[in-house]
Amino acid sequence: AQTVTQSQPEMSVQEAETVTLSCTYDTSESDYYLFWYKQPPSRQMILVIRQEAYKQQNATENRFSVNFQKAAKSFSLKISDSQLGDAAMYFCAYDFGTASKLTFGTGTRLQVTL
Amino acid sequence: GAVVSQHPSWVICKSGTSVKIECRSLDFQATTMFWYRQFPKQSLMLMATSNEGSKATYEQGVEKDKFLINHASLTLSTLTVTSAHPEDSSFYICSAPAATFNYGYTFGSGTRLTVV
Repeated sequence: AQTVTQSQPEMSVQEAETVTLSCTYDTSESDYYLFWYKQPPSRQMILVIRQEAYKQQNATENRFSVNFQKAAKSFSLKISDSQLGDAAMYFCAYDFGTASKLTFGTGTRLQVTL
Repeated sequence: GAVVSQHPSWVICKSGTSVKIECRSLDFQATTMFWYRQFPKQSLMLMATSNEGSKATYEQGVEKDKFLINHASLTLSTLTVTSAHPEDSSFYICSAPAATFNYGYTFGSGTRLTVV
């Protein structure tokens, strides 16, 4: 079975600084999708970034980028120029494709301080 | 695009009653809907997967008779918590694969259920 591990329950970053959230996963599949979702206090799940395993290039979305290491099964999220609005729970998630189902990590709570 | 509307956003019910939660795909056809449960400060746990026109698939440990799922149309999936008890109090979220999948999955805004 696929598993997703987020080893950092909480992280803190100062405004304008950079922070990296870690995620590792376990799978025997060769083609799959990885996601980072943000859940602010409203609890609405918001897609931050998506990575296809067959793509070697790391995905980027404005201030958000990933470091995807397929062999190591690692998928970290880097947030640059952190903003107060980035404070939220961040969930790493795995999907082995064709909209099967998402397997979530336990989440990392990110605090952004002034 | 790819919006899932979930209602109600919160509900309080008496122990022993039933509560229905609706998820509607507004601008796309959701042939599949995933139902999650989230306890405070915890991750999302998949409860079941519903497919339009067929029986839902439940995850291990989820009571089928307590959590009734119906997916009668391509735009509506419902979760009914039957004979609710305080331990059923939780946050319930639905999710559907986004139309083009470029957006991954789209989520409803969630329903906070409190059983008193």
